[in-house]
Amino acid sequence: SQQGEEDPQALSIQEGENATMNCSYKTSINNLQWYRQNSGRGLVHLILIRSNEREKHSGRLRVTLDTSKKSSSLLITASRAADTASYFCATRDSGGSNYKLTFGKGTLLTVNP
Amino acid sequence: DSGVTQTPKHLITATGQRVTLRCSPRSGDLSVYWYQQSLDQGLQFLIQYYNGEERAKGNILERFSAQQFPDLHSELNLSSLELGDSALYFCASSTYSNSPLHFGNGTRLTVT
Repeated sequence: SQQGEEDPQALSIQEGENATMNCSYKTSINNLQWYRQNSGRGLVHLILIRSNEREKHSGRLRVTLDTSKKSSSLLITASRAADTASYFCATRDSGGSNYKLTFGKGTLLTVNP
Repeated sequence: DSGVTQTPKHLITATGQRVTLRCSPRSGDLSVYWYQQSLDQGLQFLIQYYNGEERAKGNILERFSAQQFPDLHSELNLSSLELGDSALYFCASSTYSNSPLHFGNGTRLTVT
């Protein structure tokens, strides 16, 4: 079963524009992570935000977390054609069985040159 | 390069057969995870091992089994294969159970 739900399912923008993807989840979490997947390849970890953090930055990436709304957003600024990929949020539950990392279905981002 | 190695890259087999997928984790990582990715189901967690012991189980069918060996490599065994088992199977590893995952490039399984 999916924990995170990304929104939108697909996003198409022009190079230089910002891209925002959202993720909602259902249970209490220990941390939330964002991953990127180029077509048919393995996922690559982008950024991790802990449940007691509200915002985190890494290069052109900005992640926010609102635990009261059980939601997170990923902002990619000044997008490039090379950012074209699927982006997934993943959550690790705060419960006893917090070993499982559950992924959403992803947002397919297309950046047009 | 994530440091996680999966073999084989591609596997084509017939229904009813059995296959073994192999994963070598990143050097120093004790946790190994297996995921199945298909178009309709997305990325489904199958099972996780930590230092040879099973730690968490997800949507893994009874026809599937896995293990992690003393040298930390892992194998996923899929038996009595069905057409619906066709998917990308990913292995990932992490240093600790709460750390980010490093994914291999997957094994693409096609069941005909």
